Amino acid sequence: AQSVTQLGSHVSVSEGALVLLRCNYSSSVPPYLFWYVQYPNQGLQLLLKYTSAATLVKGINGFEAEFKKSETSFHLTKPSAHMRDAAEYFCAVSGGQGAQKLVFGQGTRLTINP
Amino acid sequence: DVKVTQSSRYLVKRTGEKVFLECVQDMDHENMFWYRQDPGLGLRLIYFSYDVKMKEKGDIPEGYSVSREKKERFSLILESASTNQTSMYLCASSIKRTSGSFDEQYFGPGTRLTVT
Repeated sequence: AQSVTQLGSHVSVSEGALVLLRCNYSSSVPPYLFWYVQYPNQGLQLLLKYTSAATLVKGINGFEAEFKKSETSFHLTKPSAHMRDAAEYFCAVSGGQGAQKLVFGQGTRLTINP
Repeated sequence: DVKVTQSSRYLVKRTGEKVFLECVQDMDHENMFWYRQDPGLGLRLIYFSYDVKMKEKGDIPEGYSVSREKKERFSLILESASTNQTSMYLCASSIKRTSGSFDEQYFGPGTRLTVT
């Protein structure tokens, strides 16, 4: 069965510092992987997705993620945090052979300190 | 732009009431989904639908039902609301792909339901 583990329910960084949000997945088939962001009182917005092309995926707002099959990881990074990056971030994996659904991680709340 | 709308942003209902949450998408997507979001638990799939009049149970279907009479509309029904159904409910839609491809889901703004 597909599953996602996000390490750290809360991450706090200073403005201008590196952002690293960790995601490990389990999948019985080659996965499609996604990062979504949720700003307060809003729905989820796609940041980026991995669909078996390049292993380094660039997304919106300066975020990127690297697919590492050997580590079953898909960590999200941004070189320099901005106050507007404060939000909750969700990693998700495709639901398995033929399945059209996503399996989400528990979420990581990112706080940016001035 | 893809747009997914939900009928209410905030809803307060009493225990035992029948509750309808409506979701409409304007991109002719085949797939539609209902999730609930609770702190520390992420998003959990309640029900989904691959086509009109089709539905499949997700991970936590108990206490819920759904209806999809038209392609653009997917309704979540709480037959008899209980306090443990107080939550944020998110609707999403996506294109139905054949094998070898997988499209992202587009989300609505959510409905925060409080059952008292």
